[in-house]
Amino acid sequence: KQEVTQIPAALSVPEGENLVLNCSFTDSAIYNLQWFRQDPGKGLTSLLLIQSSQREQTSGRLNASLDKSSGRSTLYIAASQPGDSATYLCAVYLNFNKFYFGSGTKLNVKP
Amino acid sequence: GAVVSQHPSRVICKSGTSVKIECRSLDFQATTMFWYRQFPKKSLMLMATSNEGSKATYEQGVEKDKFLINHASLTLSTLTVTSAHPEDSSFYICSASRGLNQPQHFGDGTRLSIL
Repeated sequence: KQEVTQIPAALSVPEGENLVLNCSFTDSAIYNLQWFRQDPGKGLTSLLLIQSSQREQTSGRLNASLDKSSGRSTLYIAASQPGDSATYLCAVYLNFNKFYFGSGTKLNVKP
Repeated sequence: GAVVSQHPSRVICKSGTSVKIECRSLDFQATTMFWYRQFPKKSLMLMATSNEGSKATYEQGVEKDKFLINHASLTLSTLTVTSAHPEDSSFYICSASRGLNQPQHFGDGTRLSIL
């Protein structure tokens, strides 16, 4: 059974800091991995999707890496801003529509 | 873009009531839709997968008679929580996909509170 773990569970940083969120998964036979953002009481916004054959993806200040063999992914946020405050979820996608989510990292960026 | 609309965003009702939640793909045809449940400070748990025109596939431990899913068209799936009880209170999120192994696009969720 696939298990997805995110560390840390919560993170508070001052504005402007670069930060790294971690995600690990137990079964490396994934189709892709996706990072999402969830604001309180809201649904999910997809940030980055990495196919199993890729090593990283970048979008603006966000960079996600994937090391499938070791079962790890990181989300790097450069020059953090208060507007980045949210819960960040990683999810691994197995074939046949099986999507497993981590429990998230709650990020607070202080002005 | 790929917009998914979920309605209602919040429901408060008495125990024993049945509640229907709608999930619509507004600008694409969703052959597959997914229903998730999220408990406070926990990850999303997949409840069921529905394909247009066929019966939903439920995950282990999810009562199919309790959570009725209908996916009658390529743009609409509904989740009905039948005879809801306080333990059914949760945040329910749907997602829609153009097909197998295609990206999922999420709705904004429905906060269900059963008194």
